[in-house]
Amino acid sequence: DQQVKQNSPSLSVQEGRISILNCDYTNSMFDYFLWYKKYPAEGPTFLISISSIKDKNEDGRFTVFLNKSAKHLSLHIVPSQPGDSAVYFCAASSQTGANNLFFGTGTRLTVIP
Amino acid sequence: GAGVSQSPSNKVTEKGKDVELRCDPISGHTALYWYRQRLGQGLEFLIYFQGNSAPDKSGLPSDRFSAERTGESVSTLTIQRTQQEDSAVYLCASSLFLGNTIYFGEGSWLTVV
Repeated sequence: DQQVKQNSPSLSVQEGRISILNCDYTNSMFDYFLWYKKYPAEGPTFLISISSIKDKNEDGRFTVFLNKSAKHLSLHIVPSQPGDSAVYFCAASSQTGANNLFFGTGTRLTVIP
Repeated sequence: GAGVSQSPSNKVTEKGKDVELRCDPISGHTALYWYRQRLGQGLEFLIYFQGNSAPDKSGLPSDRFSAERTGESVSTLTIQRTQQEDSAVYLCASSLFLGNTIYFGEGSWLTVV
């Protein structure tokens, strides 16, 4: 039972444009959400996170939006750069209950120069 | 060390053999996690350790899998009588404490032939 879903396995975007990666979750107990980025042959690296008390968190070119009522979050990258090409994993946890992160299956982003 | 260190980085083993994977977490991190990613799939939780508490083994796929951790240091994941479906990258991660952002190692790539 996949509690965190990334329904788009891949996304291609032109350099300089906005990349929007989407993630849906089913467990209403989740209150902490993260995005990880993974290059081939490397472990995932933490990118940005958001707590359920906020609906937006921004860090440079990366912004995460959280819509709790829709159980949906998205990662916006603007402007997209070729170096952003990687697999992006959405993850969720419950700080008051669950003891691990639940990951989505990932979205492969390709930024075309 | 500066990051999570895993060894070996690559391992090819014959079906039926036992393998042992090692993880050295970030110094001071009390929580340690093992995940795996099989080809074309998302990250799958296996087990986590938090301080001296009993580990959460709920993600281990079978009794062929076991893991140990000594205090808040090195952990080993052991797979006995390996099967071809065990082929995956095994990722170790650590966090300062449970529920905090987790940081991944580069993974141990296991191929069972």
